[in-house]
Amino acid sequence: EVQLVESGGGLVQPGGSLRLSCAASGFTFSSYWMHWVRQAPGKGLVWVSRINSDGSSTSYADSVKGRFTISRDNAKNTLYLQMNSLRAEDTAVYYCARDSYSDISLGFDPWGQGTLVTVSS
Amino acid sequence: EIVMTQSPATLSVSPGERATLSCRASQSVSSNLAWYQQKPGQAPRLLIYGASTRATGIPARFSGSGSGTEFTLTISSLQSEDFAVYYCQQYNNWPPEYTFGQGTKLEIK
Repeated sequence: EVQLVESGGGLVQPGGSLRLSCAASGFTFSSYWMHWVRQAPGKGLVWVSRINSDGSSTSYADSVKGRFTISRDNAKNTLYLQMNSLRAEDTAVYYCARDSYSDISLGFDPWGQGTLVTVSS
Repeated sequence: EIVMTQSPATLSVSPGERATLSCRASQSVSSNLAWYQQKPGQAPRLLIYGASTRATGIPARFSGSGSGTEFTLTISSLQSEDFAVYYCQQYNNWPPEYTFGQGTKLEIK
């Protein structure tokens, strides 16, 4: 079964840092592009970041550029999101999602169950 | 930045009836359009990609159409499990951009 499981969320103070993890199983993780998407409470979906299959290319939404870093460890089948200089507006459920083998997206499928990040003093 | 606008914000339909959801892009996205379903407390699920290709395991009552700037998701005969929020998403590989619409809530009439 193809599965993505996020972890690492929690309560953090403004200006703090957090690292999210996404453990992949049931497919050849090293072959796929991966994404992080977030959803603030009661709001819609917002794309955060993407990484290519070997980790050599990354992209970010303007709202997180310079503060967040996406990475992956293909030997551990794990995707990461390092979040620094966190702000209240970063409060959201963070989902990881699988894309396709290449830069031609075929939609995000599947998604993990999400991990909640709350930025508050 | 490409803006995706979904309409209506809320759609009330009776079970067994047809539902038509719309999504408009601020500029052409060709056929680089996906639709997702999200139920309360759950992660989104991919329904359609490439504007009209059903994802694996998606029932045939879901269909997508359109290209350029105007897209439609049609659910031919609503089942109880179809009442949820639906999002469209455009994807542009360069510059990388994956923009979601604000969502349409499909509720029971």
